Amino acid sequence: DGGITQSPKYLFRKEGQNVTLSCEQNLNHDAMYWYRQDPGQGLRLIYYSHIVNDFQKGDIAEGYSVSREKKESFPLTVTSAQKNPTAFYLCASIRTSECEKLFFGSGTQLSVL
Amino acid sequence: AQSVTQPDIHITVSEGASLELRCNYSYGATPYLFWYVQSPGQGLQLLLKYFSGDTLVQGIKGFEAEFKRSQSSFNLRKPSVHWSDAAEYFCAVGASPPGAAGNKLTFGGGTRVLVKP
Repeated sequence: DGGITQSPKYLFRKEGQNVTLSCEQNLNHDAMYWYRQDPGQGLRLIYYSHIVNDFQKGDIAEGYSVSREKKESFPLTVTSAQKNPTAFYLCASIRTSECEKLFFGSGTQLSVL
Repeated sequence: AQSVTQPDIHITVSEGASLELRCNYSYGATPYLFWYVQSPGQGLQLLLKYFSGDTLVQGIKGFEAEFKRSQSSFNLRKPSVHWSDAAEYFCAVGASPPGAAGNKLTFGGGTRVLVKP
């Protein structure tokens, strides 16, 4: 079945460490997004990409980095510069030719040790 | 800048009772509006969307929503709630279709629905 796979489901980060969250989709979608979810704050956009080798900052990009070397993959790195990384991270994708819905992965919970 | 407000953080409803979740948005032009549902520890699933046309839209799982431009609202309703409807619900607004270049969906803070037996 097609879908979006995020891994790992749970991730722990030590202080000063960079960690990478994986997002892979086999839906042949062009656009991919990373959101951060904090309780009571809804989802906030970190980065998004509409084509391979191109990506744009969202509303809260500081302390994060991404790459889009392949259409199906959009990994997110939480760097040591992100001082409050504990959150639930959601990846989403959509085919840009369609005006329908975002498909979401099942998320990664990142916590600080 | 666009914004979304969901005034109710928590709502408790009895099984079989009706449910209404409020959503108010701020955007200058005609918005693209969505309602998503999230089960604990999971991603989001689209319930319904409004782009244009009939202001009363039907979605999955028996949900509907009504777009009221004069009130800048897009409230979600369900006539009879089932225990499986316990989840968190998010309203979202976009300036263009979701896949359009440069589009960014703005989400509300969410409303957690608890269903009493």
